[in-house]
Amino acid sequence: GAVVSQHPSWVICKSGTSVKIECRSLDFQATTMFWYRQFPKQSLMLMATSNEGSKATYEQGVEKDKFLINHASLTLSTLTVTSAHPEDSSFYICSPRTTQETQYFGPGTRLLVL
Amino acid sequence: QKEVEQNSGPLSVPEGAIASLNCTYSDRGSQSFFWYRQYSGKSPELIMSIYSNGDKEDGRFTAQLNKASQYVSLLIRDSQPSDSATYLCAVNSGGTGGFKTIFGAGTRLFVKA
Repeated sequence: GAVVSQHPSWVICKSGTSVKIECRSLDFQATTMFWYRQFPKQSLMLMATSNEGSKATYEQGVEKDKFLINHASLTLSTLTVTSAHPEDSSFYICSPRTTQETQYFGPGTRLLVL
Repeated sequence: QKEVEQNSGPLSVPEGAIASLNCTYSDRGSQSFFWYRQYSGKSPELIMSIYSNGDKEDGRFTAQLNKASQYVSLLIRDSQPSDSATYLCAVNSGGTGGFKTIFGAGTRLFVKA
């Protein structure tokens, strides 16, 4: 159980384009979804928290207009990086939380902005 | 500020030895505790959860919880080179807006063959 898929697994894009990352919990319902970013050799950094059907709550320093989060259903959440720039290159990981308060992680999406 | 503290390491142990990873947390009201393993370039995977004081064993892994001391540990018996990874301690902490999982920065473990 607790299978999480994330798509795409890696993406290379030109500066200024938008990238959408999908996260699905395949065998459980996630009432809460967390999105993290991780730079090489650094810790996980929480970007935002979203509850199904509600607007996401963003951590300090994370631009909500740049990182659009949609949590339309209990099994699907998306993160869109709008007008991506090279400094947005990172490893993005979704993390759905079960109703039993356990967090699982998706396999991650490696984004490279040229 | 609710915190979870871990020694960053690296912790180096020989193959076959016991690796002991430690974690302390600041929120005395925390009820749920987790250990994740993260291989380089991969996302974290859940390996253990523990909710009550004492030991919980799963294969070569044993999680230990002491709520009075606000201390969680993970023991890995018969360590293998494949156990080399970063181990993240996580604690569910309540507050306004609901539970939030607070992660430690992780301890890097290196198992020498």
